[in-house]
Amino acid sequence: DVKVTQSSRYLVKRTGEKVFLECVQDMDHENMFWYRQDPGLGLRLIYFSYDVKMKEKGDIPEGYSVSREKKERFSLILESASTNQTSMYLCASSPRQGARHTEAFFGQGTRLTVV
Amino acid sequence: GQNIDQPTEMTATEGAIVQINCTYQTSGFNGLFWYQQHAGEAPTFLSYNVLDGLEEKGRFSSFLSRSKGYSYLLLKELQMKDSASYLCAVRFHYGGSQGNLIFGKGTKLSVKP
Repeated sequence: DVKVTQSSRYLVKRTGEKVFLECVQDMDHENMFWYRQDPGLGLRLIYFSYDVKMKEKGDIPEGYSVSREKKERFSLILESASTNQTSMYLCASSPRQGARHTEAFFGQGTRLTVV
Repeated sequence: GQNIDQPTEMTATEGAIVQINCTYQTSGFNGLFWYQQHAGEAPTFLSYNVLDGLEEKGRFSSFLSRSKGYSYLLLKELQMKDSASYLCAVRFHYGGSQGNLIFGKGTKLSVKP
């Protein structure tokens, strides 16, 4: 079974803290994604990566950065957490297009609260 | 960003058939996915379309028309456990990469007895 694991299920951080959200996948997927999900707004893409050390901005990258030093790990960084970053964060991975199955698989999500 | 539109909410009766529509911008299209998401859980994959036509998978079918920028998810013989949000997601070409995966806001389906 494909497994995408996020480091924490629930996290509470203070305004101004630097926050790291970690995501690891065990299926050798090339593509990895970070989304946030908010009521009424759906899943919004923050960043994605299609290879080690490669990253592309999604629709809402402001206030976030990412790191992909190894193929299996994709980290989301909040340099200085703010209350409007309180949200559910979802990591996903997918194989390169052309593979037999190209769907994305999701981690269980991290509910981040910034106080 | 790319627009993906789907209805916000739908209600249907147990045992019935329901169709959830999705429209998207056609520029850069590179595949369409449907996901199911129960409250408090992560999305799970239902179906994938990249060519025009119907893909059938048990009680669920998905249709794609690339020229119209249109897809639908058809759920037959509805069960109470089908109450969930259904997310339409489109993969778009992005520069030299495989493309990013953009989601619609989801359609919350309520199945009533």
